[in-house]
Amino acid sequence: EIVLTQSPGTVSLSPGETAILSCRASQSLSGNLLAWFQQKPGQAPRLLIYGASTRATGVPDRFSGSGSGTDFTLTISRLEPEDFVVYYCQQYDTSRLYTFGQGTKLEIK
Amino acid sequence: EVQLVQSGAEVKKPGESLKISCQASGYTFISSWIGWVRQKPGKGLEWMGIIYPADSDTRYRTSFQGRVTISVDKSISTAYLEWRSLQASDTAMYYCARGGPTSHWGQGTLVTVSS
Repeated sequence: EIVLTQSPGTVSLSPGETAILSCRASQSLSGNLLAWFQQKPGQAPRLLIYGASTRATGVPDRFSGSGSGTDFTLTISRLEPEDFVVYYCQQYDTSRLYTFGQGTKLEIK
Repeated sequence: EVQLVQSGAEVKKPGESLKISCQASGYTFISSWIGWVRQKPGKGLEWMGIIYPADSDTRYRTSFQGRVTISVDKSISTAYLEWRSLQASDTAMYYCARGGPTSHWGQGTLVTVSS
């Protein structure tokens, strides 16, 4: 099983600042099959980024993904109040044995 | 528009069986993998397993193998998650999700197991 480790567990920032969230895989992800999700309280997760760097439909360009191999990053620029929720990475390997990271909570400083 | 509509909340006793559903619409059901995700109260997302409706090829995460059964009914574009004997530790929100990456999600089914 591919283990994804997200860091930090919690990050405290102010609106207008930039958040940098990390996701490290226990082995190299072939094809960079890494996605990022946002989950607001009481809601299902929402796909933000797939293929490590491609924004999903309707996702603002303040959200960007980068990385390859085992190290991936989600950057959120110009933080807005609604961005202060939880973010997960997911690997979706062609074996279909997907896994999620444990999540990063973005909180208002 | 792609939609995944899940069955309603359930309250069960330990040892009881349960089957929850996820009805898909807005796309060709048999041609996309559909999976299940567990989220315990206040915790993170856990991938459980996935099925390809066209041939019912099913892949379970090791920790869920033998504990749950994932199935589909192609005639009604519906996926299922089933337990034969629930435990209190199965109390969670369960989501179905389409594809890889999981681009579309159901609204979730809350399962509460309590004596």
